[in-house]
Formats: sequence, structure tokens, C-alpha cells
Amino acid sequence: QKEVEQNSGPLSVPEGAIASLNCTYSDRGSQSFFWYRQYSGKSPELIMSIYSNGDKEDGRFTAQLNKASQYVSLLIRDSQPSDSATYLCAVNFTGGGNKLTFGTGTQLKVEL
Amino acid sequence: DAGVTQSPTHLIKTRGQHVTLRCSPISGHKSVSWYQQVLGQGPQFIFQYYEKEERGRGNFPDRFSARQFPNYSSELNVNALLLGDSALYLCASSLVGENTGELFFGEGSRLTVL
Repeated sequence: QKEVEQNSGPLSVPEGAIASLNCTYSDRGSQSFFWYRQYSGKSPELIMSIYSNGDKEDGRFTAQLNKASQYVSLLIRDSQPSDSATYLCAVNFTGGGNKLTFGTGTQLKVEL
Repeated sequence: DAGVTQSPTHLIKTRGQHVTLRCSPISGHKSVSWYQQVLGQGPQFIFQYYEKEERGRGNFPDRFSARQFPNYSSELNVNALLLGDSALYLCASSLVGENTGELFFGEGSRLTVL
């Protein structure tokens, strides 16, 4: 069974701090990794995709991928209360078409 | 441009009934996927359709079926509803049919089975 694991949280950080969200996955051959943000009562929204080892930055967000360790992370710099949401890690496993396997999500709370 | 639209947004059914959920993808998107999200869990893949053909099926019973129409809209049907089918059903569209996880989700259809 191909799995994606996340700490469910909640992860609480003060406003302005760096939030670090982590995810591990089971299939070493996976190629595509995604972070979705889901506000309470809303649908998931894609915020980052990463395909190669290393870091990818987009504004305050940085995705980090380490395929050897089967680990992907999301850093949010200068966290804002509006970042409070559940962050879903998703993996497109090898041969999975467009099928995404999601983790259970990490709830992030940014406190004033 | 309109995003992914789903209908109905909320519905209540009783056990044993049947439900049809509808989805219109973003204009130009030919792939539609369906996901089930139970409270407190991540979305779970049900089906993917691309160019009106089924491209993937998740681990769901045969009570679940779907189809895609020539205009790329899609329906998800669930027969013989069980209490455990209560969930948010998400439709997502994408531009391409393979090897992309860049999905655009609709707001979902929240199904309650009593």
C-alpha cells in the first residue's frame, strides 16, 4: 500500500515565525510531490509542486524534497494568521496517472 | 473564467438511496477526477476520466460509478448508500490527463446519509 504520512498537529507558531511542515512517503520511485492548502470548510488549493531534489521557492513558501530519504517539507516564512489552515501533502506515485495520494494533513495555527 | 463547479453543494439522503453528483471542469480542461474526503482525513481518489475514458479507479466498491460527457463535464453516481458514504465529494479538473498532480478543485458536494 502506497502511503503518505503527515503529523496531524495542530502546529502552533507565532506570527512572523517560520512554520515547518513535514511529510514522508512510501514509494521510492515517486516523481511528483505537491502541497495543498485547505481552509476549514473549503476545498484544497494547490500552493506548491516539486519534482526534483532540493529546494523550490515561491514567495514566502519553500518546498524541499529529498528523494533518498523519501521526505518532502514545506516552509512558510513570516507566517501570518491567514496561513492558518490544514496543509495536505500529496504524491503522484509511479504509474498513477493523475491519481494523487494525500496525507491526512497538518493543521497549522498562526497565533497573534 | 469560471472555476470548477459542482452541484448540489449539500444534500441529505437515507440509507439505500441513490445519489448523482455533477461537475463542470474549467474551460479547456479535459481531465476530471473525483475524490472523497471524510472529516479529518485527506481526500481519497475515486475516479479519473480523460477525454471521456476512465483512466483510473480507486479502491471503492462497485456502488460507485462515474462518467464523462462530450463537453467534459462529469457525473459521480453512488448506489445503495451507506452511512459511511457521508463525506465531502470533490471534483478536480486538470489540463492534462497523465502524470500531473496540479489539480483544481471545486467547492465540493457535502453528502449526509441518515
